[in-house]
Amino acid sequence: TQLLEQSPQFLSIQEGENLTVYCNSSSVFSSLQWYRQEPGEGPVLLVTVVTGGEVKKLKRLTFQFGDARKDSSLHITAAQPGDTGLYLCAGPRYGNDYKLSFGAGTTVTVRA
Amino acid sequence: DAGVTQSPTHLIKTRGQQVTLRCSPKSGHDTVSWYQQALGQGPQFIFQYYEEEERQRGNFPDRFSGHQFPNYSSELNVNALLLGDSALYLCASSSVRGVLGYTFGSGTRLTVV
Repeated sequence: TQLLEQSPQFLSIQEGENLTVYCNSSSVFSSLQWYRQEPGEGPVLLVTVVTGGEVKKLKRLTFQFGDARKDSSLHITAAQPGDTGLYLCAGPRYGNDYKLSFGAGTTVTVRA
Repeated sequence: DAGVTQSPTHLIKTRGQQVTLRCSPKSGHDTVSWYQQALGQGPQFIFQYYEEEERQRGNFPDRFSGHQFPNYSSELNVNALLLGDSALYLCASSSVRGVLGYTFGSGTRLTVV
């Protein structure tokens, strides 16, 4: 079983719509990191949230870390075709900072 | 500023052979981690190197081994290749344990036939 459960697995929306991706665990994490991966490339770090309850905004992307540091969400407002990709949440479990555990990913497709 | 560099980009090997993958970390980073990503899945942690020592290992057999050099670059070796070893192998570098995030390379696509 995955330490981090992501939902949904696939998401297909029209340009201009909003979307939310969820990342949940029963374990506490030192931080939660969100990456985006294009086909044939490595993941690219979008943001790291460290404090429970933290909210970070990067232009149209909003990231939230749960109060208990067990879950996180990524919200995209007015999605654009350039937002298409595989979104991965990952984090080092609290007390084990050296190992990054990944969710299985959410494939987002934004149609023009 | 160069990011993480991996070589080769693609590789085809036969079952039973051995393979060596290489990684140069981002400038200023001293820690290198290796991940295996099967198609349609998230990356799985293989191991992490720091100060030329394996600091932590994931659930991978001893056929997977590594090395870190004094210049922080790293190699991943896989012996006795199996068909199931076919995957994208990613190298990630970081500083300060990686709690704040990692920089990944573009990966090496290994196909075992």
